[in-house]
Amino acid sequence: GQNIDQPTEMTATEGAIVQINCTYQTSGFNGLFWYQQHAGEAPTFLSYNVLDGLEEKGRFSSFLSRSKGYSYLLLKELQMKDSASYLCAVRVDAGKSTFGDGTTLTVKP
Amino acid sequence: EAGVAQSPRYKIIEKRQSVAFWCNPISGHATLYWYQQILGQGPKLLIQFQNNGVVDDSQLPKDRFSAERLKGVDSTLKIQPAKLEDSAVYLCASSFSPLLPNEQFFGPGTRLTVL
Repeated sequence: GQNIDQPTEMTATEGAIVQINCTYQTSGFNGLFWYQQHAGEAPTFLSYNVLDGLEEKGRFSSFLSRSKGYSYLLLKELQMKDSASYLCAVRVDAGKSTFGDGTTLTVKP
Repeated sequence: EAGVAQSPRYKIIEKRQSVAFWCNPISGHATLYWYQQILGQGPKLLIQFQNNGVVDDSQLPKDRFSAERLKGVDSTLKIQPAKLEDSAVYLCASSFSPLLPNEQFFGPGTRLTVL
């Protein structure tokens, strides 16, 4: 079976840094994705990690440890528009990804 | 580049009725996915197509759900008959190929309400 765990909700302050964790236990592993989903909208791609380590892209960074089955998404200099759900998805085999239930981030002024 | 198109955007039906959703993926994308997203949950894969062939439909409730992708481009997802628990957003996504990394591009979704 596939199991992906993320915190349900997080709250942070504008301008701060927040880390959203994701742990996974899956039958296969070919990479891990992070998607952002604003309320009522479709998910949009943020990052992809297949090797251990940190990938940085502007204000967003994503980390992966395959041995620990663990990833995190780091958001710096938070803005109000970052309020959204953040979905962790594991690519378990060719083309197929399993999604977690998402972490709803609320950014407060 | 045009994104993934879906229609309708919203649909309200009564239980036991039938409904169909349409998806047009990004041009040139060989892989197409249909997901069901219940409020507060992540997307759950219903079916994956590679061109016009089915790659994975293990989580598709085949007694009531069906999907096709004729000619390897557009796709339709049908529910017949609908149940209350089918109320969800149905997302279509496409990717260029199943090779790494296959970022998925999502359409706006169809919000289905079953009364």
